[in-house]
Amino acid sequence: KAGVTQTPRYLIKTRGQQVTLSCSPISGHRSVSWYQQTPGQGLQFLFEYFSETQRNKGNFPGRFSGRQFSNSRSEMNVSTLELGDSALYLCASSPSGTGVTDTQYFGPGTRLTVL
Amino acid sequence: KQEVTQIPAALSVPEGENLVLNCSFTDSAIYNLQWFRQDPGKGLTSLLLIQSSQREQTSGRLNASLDKSSGRSTLYIAASQPGDSATYLCAVRRYSGGSYIPTFGRGTSLIVHP
Repeated sequence: KAGVTQTPRYLIKTRGQQVTLSCSPISGHRSVSWYQQTPGQGLQFLFEYFSETQRNKGNFPGRFSGRQFSNSRSEMNVSTLELGDSALYLCASSPSGTGVTDTQYFGPGTRLTVL
Repeated sequence: KQEVTQIPAALSVPEGENLVLNCSFTDSAIYNLQWFRQDPGKGLTSLLLIQSSQREQTSGRLNASLDKSSGRSTLYIAASQPGDSATYLCAVRRYSGGSYIPTFGRGTSLIVHP
């Protein structure tokens, strides 16, 4: 079974631009979560999607948004990029996310650099 | 607000040593605790998942314990090997909106040298 894939793996943008990152979950997984990892703040939860609906959201500004498609693939978008948005963005999928024993499977991440 | 602390932040040991990594959390109302491993520039790999009703879980040379009442978990690595070099993160999950949302610690960076 293929793992979680994220594209692109590396991205360089300038302040003020917007960016879209993509995540393809493991086949059959319906829950997709996004995380931001920085040296300063560590790993922080952004949002979770299940069946094309945002089920949970972390404490991030509205510039961060996402969506999920009917095939469970997900995208996240960051508008009006700031220097502080430079980070490793990780996507994780799980079968449903509702099982207390559900394990999340992480992708390799997208490294975003904002200049 | 849940806070997760991992001690030590970094550790360098010779091969063969037995190790203990610590994770503490401020809110004991958790559903489970999970230990992950992260290799440089890569995503996270799940190592062990302990339910709130459990005391410990074992997988190979790894053993994780959970004391929910005191807000502590330890990850024990027996007979460490250079291939164990990585950052180890713990995450506690709370229930929200129909799913279980994790709060992560900052991790322990482990180097095992030959």
